[in-house]
Amino acid sequence: AQSVTQPDIHITVSEGASLELRCNYSYGATPYLFWYVQSPGQGLQLLLKYFSGDTLVQGIKGFEAEFKRSQSSFNLRKPSVHWSDAAEYFCAVGALNQGGKLIFGQGTELSVKP
Amino acid sequence: NAGVTQTPKFQVLKTGQSMTLQCAQDMNHNSMYWYRQDPGMGLRLIYYSASEGTTDKGEVPNGYNVSRLNKREFSLRLESAAPSQTSVYFCASISDRATYNEQFFGPGTRLTVL
Repeated sequence: AQSVTQPDIHITVSEGASLELRCNYSYGATPYLFWYVQSPGQGLQLLLKYFSGDTLVQGIKGFEAEFKRSQSSFNLRKPSVHWSDAAEYFCAVGALNQGGKLIFGQGTELSVKP
Repeated sequence: NAGVTQTPKFQVLKTGQSMTLQCAQDMNHNSMYWYRQDPGMGLRLIYYSASEGTTDKGEVPNGYNVSRLNKREFSLRLESAAPSQTSVYFCASISDRATYNEQFFGPGTRLTVL
């Protein structure tokens, strides 16, 4: 079955510390992978996406993610977290023949300590 | 250019009542989607419309109907609301469903069914 797992429901980091949010997927086809951020009461904003090629992708707001096919993972990273990064983060997977549909992970809520 | 708009922003219904959630996009996108977001479950696809005049079921279609009124508008109807339909509903649109290009989410409709 196709699925996306975000093992961490909630993570707290100190401002200025590095961040890594985990995402694992199970998908039969070659996956397209996405990370979204959702601020409280808001819709989803695309941070970055991976389709093919270089396995390290850069996104907006200083985020990057690395696709590791052998581990079925697409972890999101940021070298130095800012207080404004506090939000919920969703990993999602799609594919070329999926008509634009997405399967989402459960989400990881990020809190930032001053 | 307003992107994806949803109305209403909030709604409270009693069990058995009906209502229609409205979604419109002004980006001339072909494909539109309805997702629901529940705590700890991420977003799940309810229905989607690959192009004007077509609609298809997603992962959780039971209790819902949709109408792709024209290229701009894609509405979601609850004929007889149930407490299990308490959720936040997001509409999304995509310019190219093969490549997921120009993908945007609306701000959401928060629905409570008593």
